[in-house]
Amino acid sequence: RKEVEQDPGPFNVPEGATVAFNCTYSNSASQSFFWYRQDCRKEPKLLMSVYSSGNEDGRFTAQLNRASQYISLLIRDSKLSDSATYLCVVKRAGNKLVFGAGTILRVKS
Amino acid sequence: NAGVMQNPRHLVRRRGQEARLRCSPMKGHSHVYWYRQLPEEGLKFMVYLQKENIIDESGMPKERFSAEFPKEGPSILRIQQVVRGDSAAYFCASSSLLAGASYEQYFGPGTRLTVT
Repeated sequence: RKEVEQDPGPFNVPEGATVAFNCTYSNSASQSFFWYRQDCRKEPKLLMSVYSSGNEDGRFTAQLNRASQYISLLIRDSKLSDSATYLCVVKRAGNKLVFGAGTILRVKS
Repeated sequence: NAGVMQNPRHLVRRRGQEARLRCSPMKGHSHVYWYRQLPEEGLKFMVYLQKENIIDESGMPKERFSAEFPKEGPSILRIQQVVRGDSAAYFCASSSLLAGASYEQYFGPGTRLTVT
């Protein structure tokens, strides 16, 4: 079993739709949690950190449930530019990041 | 504020040659990490360095791979006697050590290594 599991998708949605991605992690000692996005063959870019209290940044909302070891990302009012691969990432002690394989999002006009 | 810089962006090597990948962290960052992304796979941690110290190299292959982050200059990932299976994108990331920082890691554009 992978340490970080994501539905690979692809999620094909129309512009303006709301879409949610889920992620589970197996290491209960994981310390911090992030969502990154990766455009084709480019570097991962930090989208947002994820906190137990939940956090929002514009159209993006992230939630963490430590008891269930579950992380989510909600994107409202999808834009064409949101098309990318979304990476669920956990940080272990010692700053090592463990990446999920990613969820592909395609937003269509 | 310049981001993480990596060079070269593309590197072609024949089997048996050496590959040297360079990474300059963001200004003010003292932690450097190397990750590898094989074709159609996720990113995998390789090594974590601070200036003149290797903190964690648990993701490095036991042979042919080495990394350093000298007191002056960029971090270097060295691959000796490259094989076709080394073809991948190698990403460097950096983070801050400032008190209260969340240790968020920011990635460079990567070096795409092709072994022919």
